[in-house]
Amino acid sequence: QQQVKQSPQSLIVQKGGISIINCAYENTAFDYFPWYQQFPGKGPALLIAIRPDVSEKKEGRFTISFNKSAKQFSLHIMDSQPGDSATYFCAASRRYSSASKIIFGSGTRLSIRP
Amino acid sequence: DVKVTQSSRYLVKRTGEKVFLECVQDMDHENMFWYRQDPGLGLRLIYFSYDVKMKEKGDIPEGYSVSREKKERFSLILESASTNQTSMYLCATRVRGARTATYFGAGTRLSVL
Repeated sequence: QQQVKQSPQSLIVQKGGISIINCAYENTAFDYFPWYQQFPGKGPALLIAIRPDVSEKKEGRFTISFNKSAKQFSLHIMDSQPGDSATYFCAASRRYSSASKIIFGSGTRLSIRP
Repeated sequence: DVKVTQSSRYLVKRTGEKVFLECVQDMDHENMFWYRQDPGLGLRLIYFSYDVKMKEKGDIPEGYSVSREKKERFSLILESASTNQTSMYLCATRVRGARTATYFGAGTRLSVL
């Protein structure tokens, strides 16, 4: 029940296309859903995050879509660029958790072809 | 900018050695974490600490221990390194509260021969 399942494991998209990464969770107590972006040789960095009281959040070319009833959320990258090539992790955490932990998905390696 | 510094980018150790991975943060964050990153398995939490001298086991604590004697420093210890501990190790910090960003170091790639 603590898992966050992420798919696909790897994704190749043409430049200018839309990249879509999906995540699903079981624990309905989760109430914060961030996405992290990791470039080679670097640690992951927060990209965008959403709370379950909204269905969509957009920041530039990056959009999170959230479906509370299906317990799914996804990252959409519009007009994908070679500079977006990275590994993306979805995550989930719950407020007031004494453990203060974030559960990460398994990651998606995204390659944008020029 | 938050800075999370891991003492080594690459380490090569022999089976049975005691290994210390050090992490220092400069933002006075209460929470510090050690993750292990392996292809296809994502980021798995080894241990975390929510205060000085306080620690809790994560999902894969076996074979590891930690130490937090000062707020800014969190050490991961492999008591007797084994080949299955060859991995990328990431230190991270976060202020108290679950709805905040986690800041990661650049990682230490450990090879145990």
